Amino acid sequence: DAKTTQPPSMDCAEGRAANLPCNHSTISGNEYVYWYRQIHSQGPQYIIHGLKNNETNEMASLIITEDRKSSTLILPHATLRDTAVYYCIVLNTGTASKLTFGTGTRLQVTL
Amino acid sequence: ETGVTQTPRHLVMGMTNKKSLKCEQHLGHNAMYWYKQSAKKPLELMFVYNFKEQTENNSVPSRFSPECPNSSHLFLHLHTLQPEDSALYLCASSQDLRLTVGTGYTFGSGTRLTVV
Repeated sequence: DAKTTQPPSMDCAEGRAANLPCNHSTISGNEYVYWYRQIHSQGPQYIIHGLKNNETNEMASLIITEDRKSSTLILPHATLRDTAVYYCIVLNTGTASKLTFGTGTRLQVTL
Repeated sequence: ETGVTQTPRHLVMGMTNKKSLKCEQHLGHNAMYWYKQSAKKPLELMFVYNFKEQTENNSVPSRFSPECPNSSHLFLHLHTLQPEDSALYLCASSQDLRLTVGTGYTFGSGTRLTVV
């Protein structure tokens, strides 16, 4: 599975959009981009995933560049409850891939 | 409620104790996982089970002994642990090992283990 690179930390004001970048320059054609988040001392929570098209659900939007080498998770109106570590993971869902976590981006939402 | 329930939420044990962590899922998933998260470290995959059979053991010391009696339940038996084993232990499940497109894994809330 392709490796990912994320900034270690970001800040965002409450009510503003939080844009979390992820680089995955070695991604292959059948690998998906998954985003999870982990609120302090809880289990990781699925947010969204995509292959090549942009995706949106009730939690967030995922923008994947045309060359698929990077993506951005967008939380449109961040709240204090969105403070968490966000993980970008690339997975081949067609094989016995395992969810492997890096260090992620620690997002701090402030008043 | 995430669909994956872990008990207990907190556990303090001495180095000579024997205890067990329990994980239960009623999502109809066939694969289950144990992860360990030490302070300020990424999650580490410990064990993988698929249809009750262990398919992966990532060089975990024998003082950690997993058990999967059926596809809905997963245990982690602990004995003669060390203080450095103190961590958050997380259980997860997925439909199968191939992660058919969807949410991937569903995690429990974890057991915070402290070894004294």
